Amino acid sequence: QKEVEQNSGPLSVPEGAIASLNCTYSDRGSQSFFWYRQYSGKSPELIMSIYSNGDKEDGRFTAQLNKASQYVSLLIRDSQPSDSATYLCAVAPTSGSARQLTFGSGTQLTVLP
Amino acid sequence: GAGVSQSPRYKVTKRGQDVALRCDPISGHVSLYWYRQALGQGPEFLTYFNYEAQQDKSGLPNDRFSAERPEGSISTLTIQRTEQRDSAMYRCASSSFGANVLTFGAGSRLTVL
Repeated sequence: QKEVEQNSGPLSVPEGAIASLNCTYSDRGSQSFFWYRQYSGKSPELIMSIYSNGDKEDGRFTAQLNKASQYVSLLIRDSQPSDSATYLCAVAPTSGSARQLTFGSGTQLTVLP
Repeated sequence: GAGVSQSPRYKVTKRGQDVALRCDPISGHVSLYWYRQALGQGPEFLTYFNYEAQQDKSGLPNDRFSAERPEGSISTLTIQRTEQRDSAMYRCASSSFGANVLTFGAGSRLTVL
């Protein structure tokens, strides 16, 4: 059974702080890792993808991957109230396709003004 | 179209009825995916297509669920003899061939009474 585990939260951080979201996965053969953001009542939207060990930065977002520990994280710097959403970690078995993405149940983030 | 279009947005049906959910992907997107999302959970993979060919249907819960994409564009997910446990948000997503960026539609919320 392929599993992706996330702390469901809710996680609350003050505006301007760093929000840290964590995800672990069980399938060692996983090759592609994604973070999706889902606002309440809306559909998921991709915000970050990462394929290699280490850090990947995009604006205020940094994704971190450690395949040996089967661990993916997302850091959001200078958190804004507009970042309040559920963040979904997703894992895929291949590097070239989004097929069979396995999603975690999501972490609900609230950024307090 | 400009985005992934799903219809109907809301469907209420009685137990035992058949339902058909429609997805119109982004123009030119070869790959089309169906997911089911329960409240408070991440999307769960159901099936996906490349062009008109169904590549993987391992996520379909049972033989009451089927999907088709006869001309490689619009897809229909059909649930026969609906049961209350089928109630969920059904999400369609599309991508370019071999790409790992999914664009989700707004979803079809199914309620089985």
